[in-house]
Amino acid sequence: AQSVTQLGSHVSVSEGALVLLRCNYSSSVPPYLFWYVQYPNQGLQLLLKYTSAATLVKGINGFEAEFKKSETSFHLTKPSAHMSDAAEYFCAGMNYGGSQGNLIFGKGTKLSVKP
Amino acid sequence: GAGVSQSPRYKVAKRGQDVALRCDPISGHVSLFWYQQALGQGPEFLTYFQNEAQLDKSGLPSDRFFAERPEGSVSTLKIQRTQQEDSAVYLCASSLGGTRTETQYFGPGTRLLVL
Repeated sequence: AQSVTQLGSHVSVSEGALVLLRCNYSSSVPPYLFWYVQYPNQGLQLLLKYTSAATLVKGINGFEAEFKKSETSFHLTKPSAHMSDAAEYFCAGMNYGGSQGNLIFGKGTKLSVKP
Repeated sequence: GAGVSQSPRYKVAKRGQDVALRCDPISGHVSLFWYQQALGQGPEFLTYFQNEAQLDKSGLPSDRFFAERPEGSVSTLKIQRTQQEDSAVYLCASSLGGTRTETQYFGPGTRLLVL
């Protein structure tokens, strides 16, 4: 069965610093992977997705993620954090065991940005 | 255009009451998913519809949970005889077609509190 693991439930960075949120997956087949962001009292918004094309995926708001098969990782990065990036971030993988591809989510990483 | 909407946004129920949660997907979206997000956790899959057909209900935690989408648009998730462990945010998502790589668009969720 597929699973998604996010390392670190809380990450704190200073404004302008590099953001790195870690995600590892387990899958016996090439995965489809997603990063979503959730602001308080809002639904999840897609940041980016990997669908086996380019391994470096660029998303919205300056975020990008690199798919590394050898490390089974799909870490999310942003070169310079902004206060508005404070939110909870979820990594998700496509569930191949499901009928049409429901998502399997990690437990989330809450990002805090200090001024 | 309008996104996915859910109502009510908040629901407080006494244990044993029945509740109904509504999801209005993006117009024309074929696929509709329900997820349950417990406090501090990532969303977990409940059920999936393609048009009016419920193709996967493997995530429904008990027979007290029932979902329908009779005309292939609006969906209702019903929970009978609510229990305290049902307290969670219930998220609805829709996608345009039925392929695995398509983006799922999420609503803001319904926060259910069972007392």
